[in-house]
Parts: sequence; structure tokens; C-alpha cells
Amino acid sequence: TQLLEQSPQFLSIQEGENLTVYCNSSSVFSSLQWYRQEPGEGPVLLVTVVTGGEVKKLKRLTFQFGDARKDSSLHITAAQPGDTGLYLCAGARNFNKFYFGSGTKLNVKP
Amino acid sequence: DARVTQTPRHKVTEMGQEVTMRCQPILGHNTVFWYRQTMMQGLELLAYFRNRAPLDDSGMPKDRFSAEMPDATLATLKIQPSEPRDSAVYFCASGYQAGDHSYEQYFGPGTRLTVT
Repeated sequence: TQLLEQSPQFLSIQEGENLTVYCNSSSVFSSLQWYRQEPGEGPVLLVTVVTGGEVKKLKRLTFQFGDARKDSSLHITAAQPGDTGLYLCAGARNFNKFYFGSGTKLNVKP
Repeated sequence: DARVTQTPRHKVTEMGQEVTMRCQPILGHNTVFWYRQTMMQGLELLAYFRNRAPLDDSGMPKDRFSAEMPDATLATLKIQPSEPRDSAVYFCASGYQAGDHSYEQYFGPGTRLTVT
């Protein structure tokens, strides 16, 4: 059983649409990170959130950490084909090792 | 442009053979991770080191897997003997952690292992 559950597992949308990816757990995390991975490469860190209720924006991407620090969401506005990839959330307890979610595979069609 | 490097990038071997994967972490990073990624299990942590000392290898099958850091510039993951179920992409990542603070992990490009 995954410590972090991501939904949806797959998402195929048209360019210009908005989308939200969710990362949920029953555990509390000291920090949570979001990564994007492209085929044949390692995951690349997008953002780290550490405070409950924290919201961070990275251009068209908005990340939110739940008030209780058990869940997080990633919202993409006006998705572009370049956003295509596997999105992974990862939570750390006591700032030590990270537990990764199962991932959301996003395909943005032109 | 500092990067984590991994060798080899691809490895095909027969069941029962020894496999060694190498990782050069980013200079100055004090924490090194080994992960395995498969379609079924996703990204799993196998082991991690801080200041070259193993902190946790609970994700690693002890009977066949071993991980070491002979020096600060080299981490190795060895499988002996290899089995078809070990087929996966193995990632090394490094980061710098100080105290109770979050830190960033930088991943290498991975080693794609196929055991026939």
C-alpha cells in the first residue's frame, strides 16, 4: 500500500485546459515535494512546501499544502504540450527520507 | 552545471550474474539515495546515506543487494545474484541536508537494468 495516493493516475487533456492533481495520505509530513519526470530521465524537483496551508506559484503551476500537512494539490492553468510528463509527489517525515506517490501521467494534446 | 551522473545507463544481463551500478553525487552534497522505479511499484527507496554512513537500507533485499559509499564522490549499488524481478530503472539522487530542514534531491538519469 502506498503511503501517498495520487489521483488521477492518468489525465489526457487538450491544450489550454486547466487541471488539478491530488496527493493524499493519512500521515502527517514535515515537507512535501512535487516532481516532474519525462521519459528516459530522472524526476526534476518543481517545488517544496513545508507549512500547513502554504500556497506556492510557479508560473502556471499552483501548489497547495493541506492545513493538516497530510495532502497536497497541483493545479495547472492553461496546460501546454510542454507540461506533458509524470508528476510525482513525495512526502518526508521528520525531514528525513522521502516517500513517493504512485504518480499522475499527464498528456497535453496540441 | 552540477549533475548527478550514473553508469552504466543501460545494462542487460543474465539471471545469476553480478550487477554493479555507480553514481557520482553532486560535489558538496552530503546525502545520497538509491531508488528503484517500476511500472507496478513506482519509485521505491532502497537505501540512503548521509556523510557516507548508511542511514536506512530497509527497502533493499538484504540477501542480494548491497550499497556502499567508498568515498564522497562514489556510491555503488550491487546485485548478486541478479534475478529477472530486479529489472527496473535504478536512480541515484543526492542532496544537502543540515539540521531539521527540508532539502532538495537531484536525480541522476538512471540505469535501466534488464535481467533475462
